[in-house]
Amino acid sequence: EVQLVESGGGLVQPGGSLRLSCAASGFTFSSYWMSWVRQAPGKGLEWVANIKQDGSEKYYVDSVKGRFTISRDNAKNSLSLQMNSLRAEDTAVYYCARGQTTMTNWGQGTLVTVSS
Amino acid sequence: QSVLTQPPSASGTPGQRVTISCSGSSSNIGSNTVNWYQQLPGTAPKLLIYSNNQRPSGVPDRFSGSKSGTSASLAISGLQSEDEADYYCAAWDDSLNGHVVFGGGTKLTVL
Repeated sequence: EVQLVESGGGLVQPGGSLRLSCAASGFTFSSYWMSWVRQAPGKGLEWVANIKQDGSEKYYVDSVKGRFTISRDNAKNSLSLQMNSLRAEDTAVYYCARGQTTMTNWGQGTLVTVSS
Repeated sequence: QSVLTQPPSASGTPGQRVTISCSGSSSNIGSNTVNWYQQLPGTAPKLLIYSNNQRPSGVPDRFSGSKSGTSASLAISGLQSEDEADYYCAAWDDSLNGHVVFGGGTKLTVL
């Protein structure tokens, strides 16, 4: 069974940093693109970033470019999102998802709140 | 303002057939396949339809998808109370390198 478990969310002040992690199991992690998608409170889904199987390609939504960094460790079946210079508008539940264009499996999400 | 346009709400009574539309452009729906996601209250999204009209294993055949030109639709027949959820369309956008775009979501209410 495919499982994706996010962690690392929490309350952070504007301008601060946070690192999200996603532990994957139940599939060959190194064979799949992986993505981060977020959902602000009461709002819709927004794709944030994705990363190729070997980490050689990474893409970001414009609003996080230069502030967020997606990475993966295939030996540990782990996906990460380093978030710097956080803003109030980054407040959201962050989901880890398997896939690039078609996200076949999703984690339960981790809440990031940016507030003073 | 989402790249893909969906009606914010839809409703139907049990047993009815409802459709949810998703409008895009030539750079996304017009040249790529469409996926649909279902998000039940308080839960993570779930893949409902992929490649315009394919159902993942376990998704009832009451759910169907279609695409024509730069628009797509999700149809739910034999509506059930447990179908009450938010529905999102999504597609790759060729004009945005590496980007997936989502619709704003449609909240389906079963009356």
